[in-house]
Amino acid sequence: DTEVTQTPKHLVMGMTNKKSLKCEQHMGHRAMYWYKQKAKKPPELMFVYSYEKLSINESVPSRFSPECPNSSLLNLHLHALQPEDSALYLCASSLQISNQPQHFGDGTRLSIL
Amino acid sequence: AQSVTQPDIHITVSEGASLELRCNYSYGATPYLFWYVQSPGQGLQLLLKYFSGDTLVQGIKGFEAEFKRSQSSFNLRKPSVHWSDAAEYFCAVFTGGGNKLTFGTGTQLKVEL
Repeated sequence: DTEVTQTPKHLVMGMTNKKSLKCEQHMGHRAMYWYKQKAKKPPELMFVYSYEKLSINESVPSRFSPECPNSSLLNLHLHALQPEDSALYLCASSLQISNQPQHFGDGTRLSIL
Repeated sequence: AQSVTQPDIHITVSEGASLELRCNYSYGATPYLFWYVQSPGQGLQLLLKYFSGDTLVQGIKGFEAEFKRSQSSFNLRKPSVHWSDAAEYFCAVFTGGGNKLTFGTGTQLKVEL
C-alpha cells in the first residue's frame, strides 16, 4: 500500500474545463513533488515544494498551477489544458528536499479531450 | 551534468532465472543512486538506494544492487525472478545539488513462465 494518496485515479476533461488533482501524505515529509509521465517514458519533474513553499518550477506552462495548503497536502490545478497534456501525473514526497528518498503515489491518469 | 543510462530497453527472462539490469551513471563525485519499479497502472516503488558505505545494497523483494565506481555502474540483480517481477525498472540519480531526481529511460522486464 502506498503512503502517498492521489485522487482521483482517473480524470477526463475538456480543454476548457478547470479541475484539480490532489495528493496527500501523513509521513511528516516536508518536501512534495509533482511529476508528469508520458507512456513508455520516465517521470519528468514539474514542481517541488519545500516547507509549503515553491522551491522548483521546471518551466511548466501556467495552465498548471500548484498549491501546497499545508505540509500534508499538495494540489495541482488544471485549466485550459491541451491534448498533449494527457499523461500520468505522479505525486511524491520526501523527508526533506535534499538527498532524501522520494515516495510516490499511484498517480492520476489524465485524459484531455 | 549528472545522468544515468539504462542500456537495455527490454529484457526477457524465464521465471526462476537470475536477473541483472544495467545502469551507468555520469557524475564527478559519489552519486546518490536509486532503483524504482513501476507496475502497469501504478506509481513508482523504491526498491533500494545507495548513498555511501557498503557498495552492495540490499533492497525489498529480494533485489540487490552493487555500486562500482571503477565502472560507473549500479546494476540491479535478483537471483531468481518471479512472474510478478514483470514491470518497468528505473534507475535514478540525484541532480541539481540533490534537489532533483533524474531518471534513466527505463528497462521493461518480461518474465516467461
